[in-house]
Amino acid sequence: QVQLKETGPGLVQPTQTLSITCTVSGFSLTSYYMQWVRQTPGKGLEWMGFIRSGGSTEYNSEFKSRLSISRDTSKNQVFLKMNSLKTEDTGVYYCARRHSSYIDYWGQGVMVTVSS
Amino acid sequence: EIVLTQSPTTMAASPGEKVTLTCRASSSVSYMHWYQQRSGTSPKLWIYETSKLASGVPNRFSGSGSGTSYSLTINSMETEDAATYYCQQGSSYPPTFGAGTKLELK
Repeated sequence: QVQLKETGPGLVQPTQTLSITCTVSGFSLTSYYMQWVRQTPGKGLEWMGFIRSGGSTEYNSEFKSRLSISRDTSKNQVFLKMNSLKTEDTGVYYCARRHSSYIDYWGQGVMVTVSS
Repeated sequence: EIVLTQSPTTMAASPGEKVTLTCRASSSVSYMHWYQQRSGTSPKLWIYETSKLASGVPNRFSGSGSGTSYSLTINSMETEDAATYYCQQGSSYPPTFGAGTKLELK
């Protein structure tokens, strides 16, 4: 069955870089777009960006040049890296599988707190 | 960016009551998708492409709408339906979500 699981640091200091790994099973990363969505107290659910089945990426301009999404198909993993973290980036980060224009599977999410 | 406005923000319904949640888009979209999120869990796909029920969703749920106005209806409220419901559009980049309607049991 389809499963997605995020692993990440939990606590990150302001100005530092956030790195989260999403490990998937039950399907191939070369067949689906994978995206990152976050849920923050300030802005609710926000689409951050995706990596296409072919490996190219698209990002929400809201995150400008802070965000990078990549993958390792041999390990069935998708990666999020976001730098210059601020306290407003505190929230739950989800990896999600895209089907057409909607999300058909979500990971359990990883809570990230940005604080010194 | 298309802004989705959901109403009401919060509501309470009694078991057996009919419930309608609304999502309005700032520009016309082709479809609307809906997710259910229970406290402490990740969102789940609930209704996709405006009116198609996701796998396992009870048929007391339905979705409708077009253009800038969409709705999710529960024919007869049940205890397990208490949750927050979010709408989402994918017609225009970036994909955007509404702020959610929290549905409580009265």
